[in-house]
Amino acid sequence: KQEVTQIPAALSVPEGENLVLNCSFTDSAIYNLQWFRQDPGKGLTSLLLIQSSQREQTSGRLNASLDKSSGRSTLYIAASQPGDSATYLCAVRPDQKVTFGTGTKLQVIP
Amino acid sequence: GAVVSQHPSRVICKSGTSVKIECRSLDFQATTMFWYRQFPKKSLMLMATSNEGSKATYEQGVEKDKFLINHASLTLSTLTVTSAHPEDSSFYICSARLAGSNEKLFFGSGTQLSVL
Repeated sequence: KQEVTQIPAALSVPEGENLVLNCSFTDSAIYNLQWFRQDPGKGLTSLLLIQSSQREQTSGRLNASLDKSSGRSTLYIAASQPGDSATYLCAVRPDQKVTFGTGTKLQVIP
Repeated sequence: GAVVSQHPSRVICKSGTSVKIECRSLDFQATTMFWYRQFPKKSLMLMATSNEGSKATYEQGVEKDKFLINHASLTLSTLTVTSAHPEDSSFYICSARLAGSNEKLFFGSGTQLSVL
């Protein structure tokens, strides 16, 4: 059974700092991995999707990497802003189903 | 990007009533939609996979008679919480899979259900 863990569970940083969120999964046989953000009481917004054959994806200040063999992915956020405050979830797909990580709640302090 | 509309965003109902939640893919066809439930400060848990034109596949522990799923068209899936009870209060989110080269998942905005 696939298990997805995210560390840290919560993170508080001052504005402008670069930060890294971690995601680890137990079964490396995945189809893709996707990072989402979730604002309180809201749905999920897709940030980046990495196919199993890819090593990283970039979008603006965000960079996600994937090391399938070690079962790890990182989400790098450069020059953090208060608007980045949210819960970040990673999700892996071995097939049709998706397994979500436990989430990292990020607070960026102005 | 692809848009998934979920309605209602919030519903409060009395215990014993049934509540229907709609999930629509607005600008694409989704042969498969997924329904998730999220407890406070917890991650999303997959409840069921909804396939257009066929019966939904429920995850272990999810009562199919309690959570009725209908996927009658390529753009609409509904989740009906029947005879709702306070323990059914939760945040429900649907997602639709966009078939294609990268097969992203797109999520609805979620429905906060509160059963009194």
